[in-house]
Amino acid sequence: QQQVKQSPQSLIVQKGGIPIINCAYENTAFDYFPWYQQFPGKGPALLIAIRPDVSEKKEGRFTISFNKSAKQFSLHIMDSQPGDSATYFCAATIDNYGQNFVFGPGTRLSVLP
Amino acid sequence: DVKVTQSSRYLVKRTGEKVFLECVQDMDHENMFWYRQDPGLGLRLIYFSYDVKMKEKGDIPEGYSVSREKKERFSLILESASTNQTSMYLCASSSTLSRGGNQPQHFGDGTRLSIL
Repeated sequence: QQQVKQSPQSLIVQKGGIPIINCAYENTAFDYFPWYQQFPGKGPALLIAIRPDVSEKKEGRFTISFNKSAKQFSLHIMDSQPGDSATYFCAATIDNYGQNFVFGPGTRLSVLP
Repeated sequence: DVKVTQSSRYLVKRTGEKVFLECVQDMDHENMFWYRQDPGLGLRLIYFSYDVKMKEKGDIPEGYSVSREKKERFSLILESASTNQTSMYLCASSSTLSRGGNQPQHFGDGTRLSIL
């Protein structure tokens, strides 16, 4: 119940394409869903996050769509660029003082020029 | 900007050695975490700490211990290193706000540890 499933494992798109990464969870107590972006040789960095009281959140070219009834959420990258090539992790946590996050296994995205 | 600094980027040790990985954060965060990152498995939580001298086991604590003597420093200890502990180790920190305010975790750049 603590797992977060993520797909696909890897993704290749052309510049300007819209890659979509999907995540699913079981634990209905999760109430905070961040996405992290990791470049080679660097630690993950927070990209965008959503709470279940909204169905969509947009920050620049990055959009999270959230479907509470299906317990699924996804990341869309509009007008993708080669600089977006990175590994993306979804995560989930319960709003408690422990901040104990559960991470998906990651998606390696390559955006071709 | 939050800075989480891990003492070594690369480390090579031998089987059976006691290994120390150090992490320091400069934002007075209450929470600190140690993860290991392996291809296809994502980030798995080893230990975390809510406060000085407090620690909690994560998902894969076996073979590891931690120490938090000061708020800014969180150490991961491999008591007797084994080859299956070869991995990328990531440290993270976060602050604790009042209920309803989830805070993101801020990560260091990792220590790539090889056990020969």
